[in-house]
Amino acid sequence: GAVVSQHPSRVICKSGTSVKIECRSLDFQATTMFWYRQFPKQSLMLMATSNEGSKATYEQGVEKDKFLINHASLTLSTLTVTSAHPEDSSFYICSAWTGASTYGYTFGSGTRLTVV
Amino acid sequence: AQSVTQLDSQVPVFEEAPVELRCNYSSSVSVYLFWYVQYPNQGLQLLLKYLSGSTLVKGINGFEAEFNKSQTSFHLRKPSVHISDTAEYFCAVSDGGNEKLTFGTGTRLTIIP
Repeated sequence: GAVVSQHPSRVICKSGTSVKIECRSLDFQATTMFWYRQFPKQSLMLMATSNEGSKATYEQGVEKDKFLINHASLTLSTLTVTSAHPEDSSFYICSAWTGASTYGYTFGSGTRLTVV
Repeated sequence: AQSVTQLDSQVPVFEEAPVELRCNYSSSVSVYLFWYVQYPNQGLQLLLKYLSGSTLVKGINGFEAEFNKSQTSFHLRKPSVHISDTAEYFCAVSDGGNEKLTFGTGTRLTIIP
């Protein structure tokens, strides 16, 4: 139980285009979704926290107009990278709290974005 | 503000030897502590977590960790490592449930045959 399904797992896009990444909670309701970015051989950095039905909270230094987060329902949160550039190439991963009696935080499997 | 320090960026260990990966944290409130493992090009897998209760926490794959509040540490240990333990290990902390996780910089564990 407590699975977060993240799609796509890999995406290659041209510079200047937009890419949408979806995270779905399959068997629980995620009122909050956390979005992280991981550069090669580095740690995970929190980009933003999304709450169902309200605006996302972005971490300092993260461009909210570039990384659009929508959390329209209790089972779906999306991250759209707008006007992507090669420096946006990274591993993006989402996470949700599933309760103290389970894993605590459940992570999606991640999306490898390559902008060419 | 929370922070997590993993002092060792790389740890080489001979197969079947014991290993300890160090993690220290700072937080102004009660904390939840986690250890995750990440294999190349994969997501994160939970090894173990401390939320409350016994300070010695046992996880999967033979790993365990001890929460030491006075030393603000949560070191990960395994008595005998295997080749399959080669991976990146991350320590993480949150202020509580449904709060953001702050990750350490990671420790690359390399098992030497």
